[in-house]
Amino acid sequence: EPEVTQTPSHQVTQMGQEVILRCVPISNHLYFYWYRQILGQKVEFLVSFYNNEISEKSEIFDDQFSVERPDGSNFTLKIRSTKLEDSAMYFCASSAGRTGSGANEQFFGPGTRLTVL
Amino acid sequence: DAKTTQPTSMDCAEGRAANLPCNHSTISGNEYVYWYRQIHSQGPQYIIHGLKNNETNEMASLIITEDRKSSTLILPHATLRDTAVYYCIAKTSYDKVIFGPGTSLSVIP
Repeated sequence: EPEVTQTPSHQVTQMGQEVILRCVPISNHLYFYWYRQILGQKVEFLVSFYNNEISEKSEIFDDQFSVERPDGSNFTLKIRSTKLEDSAMYFCASSAGRTGSGANEQFFGPGTRLTVL
Repeated sequence: DAKTTQPTSMDCAEGRAANLPCNHSTISGNEYVYWYRQIHSQGPQYIIHGLKNNETNEMASLIITEDRKSSTLILPHATLRDTAVYYCIAKTSYDKVIFGPGTSLSVIP
């Protein structure tokens, strides 16, 4: 069964450093998302991406964050200058887009645990 | 997105059916009911969705009331691996998923 994959599974970085989190969505999916979950809290939406541009972003997704689909398979989240409060689990998700059922279920990856020291 | 309300927690005996209720009294006509779950520290997992009709797949069944103001997710034979937080979400097709507190289901041996 196709699945969303994410690398690395765990990233440790120093405050102020740049990190890039990588995701390989399910092939033929058209919509891509990033979410994050701070330890003990709920999963929060960061950004959605469709047709090579951001379609929606939350207030969390400030100028320090950027997303890119550099080729036909990868979807990346970059944090330019990490802060302590960026420590969280980051989940990538993808969805097929326009399906016959009209729904658009999102499939999530296993996550990357980012620890900022 | 329509607001949903779910019980904070539920217990279910292993092998029995788990029935998880959800109220979404303000759901609009173009909003689907989606169910996801999150097993500890894993990525959220899509379970099932529906618009008006009851739905069944290999994981669960979804019963939606005729007025669409509430629904029930049914796990027919709960196992210990079904212990998770279950989220009921009402939203249009292309919206982001907004996770509320969900229902923490504990399957007890």
